[in-house]
Amino acid sequence: AQKVTQAQTEISVVEKEDVTLDCVYETRDTTYYLFWYKQPPSGELVFLIRRNSFDEQNEISGRYSWNFQKSTSSFNFTITASQVVDSAVYFCALRGGKLTFGQGTILTVHP
Amino acid sequence: DVKVTQSSRYLVKRTGEKVFLECVQDMDHENMFWYRQDPGLGLRLIYFSYDVKMKEKGDIPEGYSVSREKKERFSLILESASTNQTSMYLCASKDPGQLYGYTFGSGTRLTVV
Repeated sequence: AQKVTQAQTEISVVEKEDVTLDCVYETRDTTYYLFWYKQPPSGELVFLIRRNSFDEQNEISGRYSWNFQKSTSSFNFTITASQVVDSAVYFCALRGGKLTFGQGTILTVHP
Repeated sequence: DVKVTQSSRYLVKRTGEKVFLECVQDMDHENMFWYRQDPGLGLRLIYFSYDVKMKEKGDIPEGYSVSREKKERFSLILESASTNQTSMYLCASKDPGQLYGYTFGSGTRLTVV
């Protein structure tokens, strides 16, 4: 069985602060994919990033960056210089066979 | 872009009613999924389908059934709605070769009273 844990239920920051969302996963698969999704108040999940288990390169996309460490089974997400528009629920997910989601982290960015 | 459309944004139903949640995708995807989202529990898979008339149970299928008569449409059925089925329901679709994970609809918030 696979499992994704997002230990932070809610995070509150002030605009321009950096914030890191943690994600730890468990799987017996040797090949798998990791994802981050953003769910704004509109409800629709928006794809942010996909990583396969063979690619441990960290990735940066604008203010977003992701740190994949296979040794610790972690796939953390950092937002640099947060903005109010970053306020949302963020989900980490793992796909071996099925897509399994973490519990989600509610991020609130205050002006 | 792939569009996944869920017919209702909000629904209120009475206990014991039979409830249909409809989901339509417009890109000929083979795979479709129904998730339920609850605070602190994330998204949990109810049912999925790899093709027309095919269905597989997910992690929490009890109290639900599904129907896939056409490739573009995947319906979730609550045979006899109960208050513990009050939740946000999200439909998703995916092509086997798709790189970007799943494409989700906007969700249906169901309240059972």
